[in-house]
Amino acid sequence: ETGVTQTPRHLVMGMTNKKSLKCEQHLGHNAMYWYKQSAKKPLELMFVYSLEERVENNSVPSRFSPECPNSSHLFLHLHTLQPEDSALYLCASSQERGDTQYFGPGTRLTVL
Amino acid sequence: AQTVTQSQPEMSVQEAETVTLSCTYDTSESDYYLFWYKQPPSRQMILVIRQEAYKQQNATENRFSVNFQKAAKSFSLKISDSQLGDAAMYFCAYRSGRYGGSQGNLIFGKGTKLSVKP
Repeated sequence: ETGVTQTPRHLVMGMTNKKSLKCEQHLGHNAMYWYKQSAKKPLELMFVYSLEERVENNSVPSRFSPECPNSSHLFLHLHTLQPEDSALYLCASSQERGDTQYFGPGTRLTVL
Repeated sequence: AQTVTQSQPEMSVQEAETVTLSCTYDTSESDYYLFWYKQPPSRQMILVIRQEAYKQQNATENRFSVNFQKAAKSFSLKISDSQLGDAAMYFCAYRSGRYGGSQGNLIFGKGTKLSVKP
């Protein structure tokens, strides 16, 4: 498998649930990103990891918790989310931070 | 802070015709990169074309080309011989040429939804 993959593609969860989004890149990149895409808003950068170290957290609520166990995998752990957190969550990777980014297909999250 | 503006929320083109999507940006930097990404209904964000600001020559990728006007801070995307598969959201994005801190991050416009009529 090539490129950037994300699982699950769709997720419906209640406000009290705990779930995780997974991203895997097969490109040998060293930087990975989480974005949130809501309707009619520009993509919002949430987190940046470079060489497995979190280098940026854009004032994201603590109910979103990222994890990067190695340079190929990135997780976004979710707990006690709000309905306004419903969105498309996109993962991306780049060779190094600042290089051209390649995106995964996204996870469509619905919080009931 | 840099901003990216796409003034056309929606555009429509007839199959086989040519369409131009507009993008303007605001920056005080001289070294930066500009991108066009395509997001079809499948939601996969796909890189269409990339332009380095220091290059005067406009980037081209098959049927996709850009008109980069650095002085005017304009970066439009031209799609020639439009195909049904070109229907998607198109996002313009800016990235600083500097690599420190958040300067390496992409700044996206709100997107333009392109419809292709058969």
